[in-house]
Formats: sequence, C-alpha cells, structure tokens
Amino acid sequence: DSGVTQTPKHLITATGQRVTLRCSPRSGDLSVYWYQQSLDQGLQFLIQYYNGEERAKGNILERFSAQQFPDLHSELNLSSLELGDSALYFCASSGRSGPISGNTIYFGEGSWLTVV
Amino acid sequence: KNEVEQSPQNLTAQEGEFITINCSYSVGISALHWLQQHPGGGIVSLFMLSSGKKKHGRLIATINIQEKHSSLHITASHPRDSAVYICAVNGGGTSYGKLTFGQGTILTVHP
Repeated sequence: DSGVTQTPKHLITATGQRVTLRCSPRSGDLSVYWYQQSLDQGLQFLIQYYNGEERAKGNILERFSAQQFPDLHSELNLSSLELGDSALYFCASSGRSGPISGNTIYFGEGSWLTVV
Repeated sequence: KNEVEQSPQNLTAQEGEFITINCSYSVGISALHWLQQHPGGGIVSLFMLSSGKKKHGRLIATINIQEKHSSLHITASHPRDSAVYICAVNGGGTSYGKLTFGQGTILTVHP
C-alpha cells in the first residue's frame, strides 16, 4: 500500500460527459502528480501541484483541468470526453520535505476510465 | 526517437536466471526511476538513482550519467517477478514530477 488513494477505481461514461477523479496523497506529502496511461501513448505526465499551486504542466489537454485543495487532496476534471480519453489515470505524491530531487514518488492504484 | 528507450521490449526467462533490462536516455536528468507495474495496473517505485548503484534484495540498479544509461538487474529470477518494468527520468527542480517514461519491458518468468 503506497498510501496514495484514488477514487473511483473504475468509471464508465459516455462521450461528451464530464468526470472527476479524486486523489488523496500520502500523509504529509505536499506534491501531487497526475499521469495518463493509454495503450497507444504509454505513460504520460499531465500536471503537478505543490501545496495548492500548479508547478509543472505536461501533455494535458485543454479539456482537462486539475486542482489541489487546502487539505492537499487533488481532483482531475475531464470534460467533453472522447473515446480516446479512455485510459488509466494515475495520481502520485511525494515531497514531505518539498518539491526537490531526491524524493521517491509514490503511485496510487489508478482510476480506469472507459469512454463509450 | 523517444527521449527514453528501453530494451528489450519483451523478455522471457526461466526461474533462477539472471535478468538485465536496459534504459538509455537522451536528455539531461537529475534522477532516474525504475518502476514495476503488475497486471492489476498498480505502479511501484523500485529505485530512484542519480548516480552509482543501488541494491534491494535481488534487485540491483545502476546508472552511468556520462553514458546516459541505466540497467536493472534481477538475480535468481522468480515467477512473481513477472511484470512490466518501466524506466523514467526527470529533470529535477520545480519540474521534479515531470517524468518522461520509457515504453516498458514486459518480463515473464516461467517456473
């Protein structure tokens, strides 16, 4: 158990809909990261938050947005869903001592999203 | 060409064999990670390296910063080692979590 909790574990929704994926980081971790794993693209970094602020952005679509709340949990919002958005979405956390190199990244179990 | 290349893509071994998975990268990094992903989907961080060598049980990871190359070795392989092994690199600093991933190596160990 990594200590990172993601909900829901599985989600099936229709094209055009909007979903929210939730992540609770390990206790005390200030950094939260979101990654997408699809069959054709592999694992890709989406976005990083540190203590409520956006720190780095990767290949995140404009239809997707994220935020980190004061209690450090994070949500990834996916809107106007397309078939190609079907993927496994991972949340990870790190950085009890700050967003510096040297901190192991701990992954959640992932949220399986299927768009039909 | 991908920034992170792993080889081989698929690896089949018999129980007890010594296994090596290689990772080459083309960008400057501050750390390299070896991750393990089991069929259920969850990802576990095995090692984080910035130089030299690390060992944990039957797993050994090495990195050569000058050659931009890392290897993951598994000694006395076991069927429970069957998984996808992923190499990932990050540039560090405020973009620490901006990992760039290799395509993964699918390892199957037969009893």
